[in-house]
Amino acid sequence: GDSVTQMEGPVTLSEEAFLTINCTYTATGYPSLFWYVQYPGEGLQLLLKATKADDKGSNKGFEATYRKETTSFHLEKGSVQVSDSAVYFCALTPSNTGFQKLVFGTGTRLLVSP
Amino acid sequence: DAGVIQSPRHEVTEMGQEVTLRCKPISGHNSLFWYRQTMMRGLELLIYFNNNVPIDDSGMPEDRFSAKMPNASFSTLKIQPSEPRDSAVYFCASTQVGTNEKLFFGSGTQLSVL
Repeated sequence: GDSVTQMEGPVTLSEEAFLTINCTYTATGYPSLFWYVQYPGEGLQLLLKATKADDKGSNKGFEATYRKETTSFHLEKGSVQVSDSAVYFCALTPSNTGFQKLVFGTGTRLLVSP
Repeated sequence: DAGVIQSPRHEVTEMGQEVTLRCKPISGHNSLFWYRQTMMRGLELLIYFNNNVPIDDSGMPEDRFSAKMPNASFSTLKIQPSEPRDSAVYFCASTQVGTNEKLFFGSGTQLSVL
């Protein structure tokens, strides 16, 4: 079935470091891809998305490019801040079921120290 | 808008007791989702509703779990009887299908079954 695989955390970085969180997916057809973020004690929030190959989603300095050839959607940020400390979830909606079947990865915790 | 509202934020109960979790989706949204989050299994979709009708409950773990959506502004997830392995954070989320696939999450209910 459709699935999302994320790198295990935690990822520990110093402020202003470069961030990469890897995400690969398995799906038939052309899924839409998402990154959600969960801050402590809160629900998930959509961070960015891409709906077709080579699209780049971006928000708050974060970016991810939909790479169909490598079935990847890696999250990057050039300079992280302490306030970016959170859990990041990669997700997809399979193309044949529309929005409803949102499949999440297991999440990657990011810890940024001053 | 107030966002997705869940209650209670925390629930501690004893094994065998009935537990009811509540959710108020964002006004105007026509799809509602219940998720469960644990360290071991990550984020799991339990059930979702479209226009108050349950569409897919294949994620409901067993007959002890039931969910209802009597109207567009209210949903419940009930566990009867509860067991320690049900301890988790339960999230409700809603969206308006067809609008950029953005899912809005509540802050969750932290359930502890002793």
